[in-house]
Amino acid sequence: DAGVIQSPRHEVTEMGQEVTLRCKPISGHNSLFWYRQTMMRGLELLIYFNNNVPIDDSGMPEDRFSAKMPNASFSTLKIQPSEPRDSAVYFCASTGSGPDTQYFGPGTRLTVL
Amino acid sequence: GQQLNQSPQSMFIQEGEDVSMNCTSSSIFNTWLWYKQEPGEGPVLLIALYKAGELTSNGRLTAQFGITRKDSFLNISASIPSDVGIYFCAGPLRYGNKLVFGAGTILRVKS
Repeated sequence: DAGVIQSPRHEVTEMGQEVTLRCKPISGHNSLFWYRQTMMRGLELLIYFNNNVPIDDSGMPEDRFSAKMPNASFSTLKIQPSEPRDSAVYFCASTGSGPDTQYFGPGTRLTVL
Repeated sequence: GQQLNQSPQSMFIQEGEDVSMNCTSSSIFNTWLWYKQEPGEGPVLLIALYKAGELTSNGRLTAQFGITRKDSFLNISASIPSDVGIYFCAGPLRYGNKLVFGAGTILRVKS
């Protein structure tokens, strides 16, 4: 069984550009989470979805960040416009039951120059 | 809020040594989780603890759910080079389907 799939694995872009990160959760999982990891702030939850519906986006840092889940097998995290301080590793995770069984993807390392 | 404090921040040990790390909170947690993150990968769940006082093993790893429900410990016996990584404790927040993570303990092993 494939795990959580994220693309791209690495993204380098220039300040002001739009960035779209993609995630395919594990088939059958009904909750999806987007996290950001930095040295300074550790692992932070940005937003999570239940059954494709955004439940809690209190971790989204600014209006420049938006996330969608158009169907059960796909989600995107968009940053527009991107800034250097958005440089981080972004993880997607999914679970079919409680929060304690989250499976993480390999992450997207974003560098904004 | 519910925050998790992990210590130590990092460890540099000799292969074969035992390792101990812990996680504390001022709040009660009903579940404690330990994850490992290897370079270039996402965190992977190692051990889940659901009951105060519970002691659970996974190979050379042993984790305990503190009696007060405000702390947890992870021990690794006879460390090997592939134990290298960042170890996170985590727990579900009281409300909602969310986890809070500690800052992590970076483990390096000298062979």
